[in-house]
Amino acid sequence: EAQVTQNPRYLITVTGKKLTVTCSQNMNHEYMSWYRQDPGLGLRQIYYSMNVEVTDKGDVPEGYKVSRKEKRNFPLILESPSPNQTSLYFCASSFDRGLTQETQYFGPGTRLLVL
Amino acid sequence: KNEVEQSPQNLTAQEGEFITINCSYSVGISALHWLQQHPGGGIVSLFMLSSGKKKHGRLIATINIQEKHSSLHITASHPRDSAVYICAVREEYGNKLVFGAGTILRVKS
Repeated sequence: EAQVTQNPRYLITVTGKKLTVTCSQNMNHEYMSWYRQDPGLGLRQIYYSMNVEVTDKGDVPEGYKVSRKEKRNFPLILESPSPNQTSLYFCASSFDRGLTQETQYFGPGTRLLVL
Repeated sequence: KNEVEQSPQNLTAQEGEFITINCSYSVGISALHWLQQHPGGGIVSLFMLSSGKKKHGRLIATINIQEKHSSLHITASHPRDSAVYICAVREEYGNKLVFGAGTILRVKS
């Protein structure tokens, strides 16, 4: 089954404790992206990757890191989480950014609470 | 001013009604997406448009590039259509997606 998976789905942590949210897709997609969703602010793009070893900042990259060592995986790293990173996080992928192949497939979301 | 504006913010309809959700944007774009977010939180891509009109079942999406405007129509609405509908644009010379705030739709039976 074609899908985007994220782990963990729910996470409670404390300020400063490094964490990683994994994202994996099995569709051989080139484009992957991370978003956060906050009440009243909607979805905002954190980082995206056009292909292996190619990543770039979205609108809200501060406090986050990403890597794209393999095509299927795109982990989101919070080196020193802070309470303002409490949010709902989505990973998404698409084949590429060509107009006919750009349908975004979203993961199920990860709810993060930073105390 | 947000680059992507959606209206209305909230919409309550009676089952069977024709529904329209609007999206206006202020930048040049290469594509526009309509997404649906279910009450449980999952997000599904409904349409990706660069021109004209697309139809899938009871859903129709249109875009007018000159007017920088898109609409999502739902015909014969049903309670299972209750969700948040989100418009997103890919800027013409970039790779980022910019999202509207979403329209909360509730369809009553």
